[in-house]
Amino acid sequence: QKEVEQDPGPLSVPEGAIVSLNCTYSNSAFQYFMWYRQYSRKGPELLMYTYSSGNKEDGRFTAQVDKSSKYISLFIRDSQPSDSATYLCASTPGGGNKLTFGTGTQLKVEL
Amino acid sequence: SAVISQKPSRDICQRGTSLTIQCQVDSQVTMMFWYRQQPGQSLTLIATANQGSEATYESGFVIDKFPISRPNLTFSTLTVSNMSPEDSSIYLCSVGGLAGVKGEQYFGPGTRLTVT
Repeated sequence: QKEVEQDPGPLSVPEGAIVSLNCTYSNSAFQYFMWYRQYSRKGPELLMYTYSSGNKEDGRFTAQVDKSSKYISLFIRDSQPSDSATYLCASTPGGGNKLTFGTGTQLKVEL
Repeated sequence: SAVISQKPSRDICQRGTSLTIQCQVDSQVTMMFWYRQQPGQSLTLIATANQGSEATYESGFVIDKFPISRPNLTFSTLTVSNMSPEDSSIYLCSVGGLAGVKGEQYFGPGTRLTVT
């Protein structure tokens, strides 16, 4: 079993839709949770960062972590074609910086 | 954040040869990492590049195959040795520890390697 599981998609939505991207993890030691966005032929860029359980909002993006169910979510409101990218979740234990990534979900927002 | 560049951006190599990938950062950083990203798979950490000492390799990766150098706090190289088609992948360097935030890393644009 992979430590971080993510549906690879692809996920296609119309412009303006609310997008929900999800990951599950198995390592109870994970304390820090990230979402990275990767455009085609580019390196991943850090989008959102959350420590432990709870919600974090940044503009149209909301990251949510439920440690009791080991579930990580990213919500995108009013999705735009520029949001079309691959979204990767990642986690790390509290003591170090080594990241464990999901496989990434490919999102396409269509006009 | 940091600006990270990689050279080459892409290459096509013959099996049995070696390729050295360079990673340059615009500021001094404590942590540098090398990842591999294969199609349909997650980013996999190859090793942590340690300044002034041997790199720390993850399970499944060995120094003979992926020698790493880090001569200073702004530069590192990864060599893919004795390549086979299975080494075709995107190789990415990243840096961390910039703001003291656990797990926060910034990535270079990647090197796309095809081995024929």
